[in-house]
Parts: sequence; C-alpha cells; structure tokens
Amino acid sequence: ETGVTQTPRHLVMGMTNKKSLKCEQHLGHNAMYWYKQSAKKPLELMFVYNFKEQTENNSVPSRFSPECPNSSHLFLHLHTLQPEDSALYLCASSQDPDREAGELFFGEGSRLTVL
Amino acid sequence: AQSVTQPDIHITVSEGASLELRCNYSYGATPYLFWYVQSPGQGLQLLLKYFSGDTLVQGIKGFEAEFKRSQSSFNLRKPSVHWSDAAEYFCAAHMEYGNKLVFGAGTILRVKS
Repeated sequence: ETGVTQTPRHLVMGMTNKKSLKCEQHLGHNAMYWYKQSAKKPLELMFVYNFKEQTENNSVPSRFSPECPNSSHLFLHLHTLQPEDSALYLCASSQDPDREAGELFFGEGSRLTVL
Repeated sequence: AQSVTQPDIHITVSEGASLELRCNYSYGATPYLFWYVQSPGQGLQLLLKYFSGDTLVQGIKGFEAEFKRSQSSFNLRKPSVHWSDAAEYFCAAHMEYGNKLVFGAGTILRVKS
C-alpha cells in the first residue's frame, strides 16, 4: 500500500454509539492531521500530531477524541455525536508540520452520517 | 485575520477552453500558497505550490498558477481543459513555520462537452 489510507470509507452511527476512524500513512511522514469537510463550509483543521504529540486542537468538542500511537497511525474516536457532525473526515500527513504544513497528502476520507 | 477567498463557487467551461480560477489572500506578509484538487469521492491532491522566486509556477496535470503580490492573488490556470478536470479546487495558504494551513471555500469546476 502507498499513500494515506482511511477506514472505514463510510460510517453511519446513532447519537449514542461509539465508533472510531482509522488513518494509516505509508510515506514516512512525521506529522498527521484530521480535517472536517462539511457541505458549503471551508475545510476545518481539527487536530495536528507531530511525532505522536498533539500540537494543535482547534477547539474541537470533546466528543471527538484523537489518538496517535505512532507516526504512521492516527485514530479519531467518536462518541455521543450530533447530526451536525455528519461530514467527510479527512486524514492527512506531511513530512514537517512547520516548514511544510501546506504540503499535505490526504486520504480519501471517511464519510460519517450521524442519525 | 488571515483568510483565503475564492470568489467563484461554480465555474463551467467547455472542453478545450482555457480556465482561470481566482484566489485572493489576506495576510500581513506573503504566505506560502497552494492549490489542491478534489475529485468526487476522493481526498485532496496537491496541484502546485508557491514559496518564493519565479511568480509563475507549474504544477501537475498541466496546471499553472501566477502569484501577483500587488493584487494579493494566486490564480490557477490551464490552457485547455479536459473533461477529467471536473472537480473542486481549493486554494490554501500558510505563513512559514508553525501556522496552520488556511483553505478557501473551494470552486467547483464543471466541464461541458
């Protein structure tokens, strides 16, 4: 496998469920990101991890809980979500989060629907 | 506040016609500038980037962009559009070191045959 892989590609969950999104990068990058893409809104940066350490939390509600066990894997744990959380969640990676914060490699996204 | 503006939400061009997508930024200094493309059901892919130097940058898939400091713009161009170019295009910017990438709202390109 190459690039950035996200699973699942589609997820439907109720507001009381607990689920997780997974991201894996095979590029040897040091930084990983979660973005939220909602209809008619710009991409929103949620979290940034640099060498497994969280360096950015963009005022994300606590019902979203990220986990980065190593530089190649990133999870987004979801619980007690709201219908307005329905969106495409994109994972990305970069070699250097400071110098190359703009040169991101994206996965194909996980389409989340909250009922 | 730092921002990136893409004035056109939708653009439709005929196959073979030229294309220009507009992007303006609002920063205290010249940021690093990027164009990304997102095909339906896919993630974003970097088309090209501008850090410094030559103001006309070449990217993948035959795209180019021109940085104009006086107009705070970084417009994306392609001389002849192909049907496979139909997608959403995002302009983005960040300052060197430590600042997060700011995306524009995107421009949806439709190509008619």
